[in-house]
Amino acid sequence: EAGVAQSPRYKIIEKRQSVAFWCNPISGHATLYWYQQILGQGPKLLIQFQNNGVVDDSQLPKDRFSAERLKGVDSTLKIQPAKLEDSAVYLCASSPPWQRTDTQYFGPGTRLTVL
Amino acid sequence: QQQVKQSPQSLIVQKGGISIINCAYENTAFDYFPWYQQFPGKGPALLIAIRPDVSEKKEGRFTISFNKSAKQFSLHIMDSQPGDSATYFCAGTGGTSYGKLTFGQGTILTVHP
Repeated sequence: EAGVAQSPRYKIIEKRQSVAFWCNPISGHATLYWYQQILGQGPKLLIQFQNNGVVDDSQLPKDRFSAERLKGVDSTLKIQPAKLEDSAVYLCASSPPWQRTDTQYFGPGTRLTVL
Repeated sequence: QQQVKQSPQSLIVQKGGISIINCAYENTAFDYFPWYQQFPGKGPALLIAIRPDVSEKKEGRFTISFNKSAKQFSLHIMDSQPGDSATYFCAGTGGTSYGKLTFGQGTILTVHP
C-alpha cells in the first residue's frame, strides 16, 4: 500500500511570496489533515477534510492560508503572502473511513523556509 | 486551547535501559491517546495507542500506562536500542475534537550503544 505522498519536499521563498503544497492521501482514505510542525514542537492541526468538505479549520490563519480538496482526493495548501513565522514543516495525513481507530497516516512533509 | 503537556523535552538512555516519557492532558472528553514516533526527515508514525477503558497496553518492548483520574499517561520503552533514537510525541483526541489530534511538544530520545 502506497503511503501519503507530498510535494515538494523542500521549498525556500522570500517573505510576501506565495507557495503551494500538494498532498495525495492513501487510496480510499476519506479524511485528510494538514498540520504545521514548527521546529521543536508537536504538529498543530490546520485543517481537516472529510471527503471534500471542511470539518475543522479553526486554527487555519484564513487571512493568508487556504486549502482545498477537489473531488475528495488530492489536496493543496496555499500560503499567500508568506511570513517569516510560516517557516515550518507542513505535514499531510489521512485516515480511513471504515474504522474508528483515529489512526492517522502521515506523509514525509514539506519543509518551508521563508527568508 | 486544550493542551497535552509532555516531559522530558530530551532523554538520553544507555542501550538496554528503560526510557520513560510522560504526558498529561486537560480535555476529559479525550478517549484516544496515541504515541507517534518521528525520525528526522520523516512524518510521524503511529507507535502504540490506548483508550481510557484500560490502564495498560503492551506491544513488544513498548508499554503505555494510563491513569484516568490523574489525566496522565506514559510510554515505557524496555530494552531501549539505538534504533529507537527518535522524537516521540504523545497526543489525544475525542469528544467534539474527534479526529483532531492534539500533540505534546515532543521528546527527543537518544539511546547510546
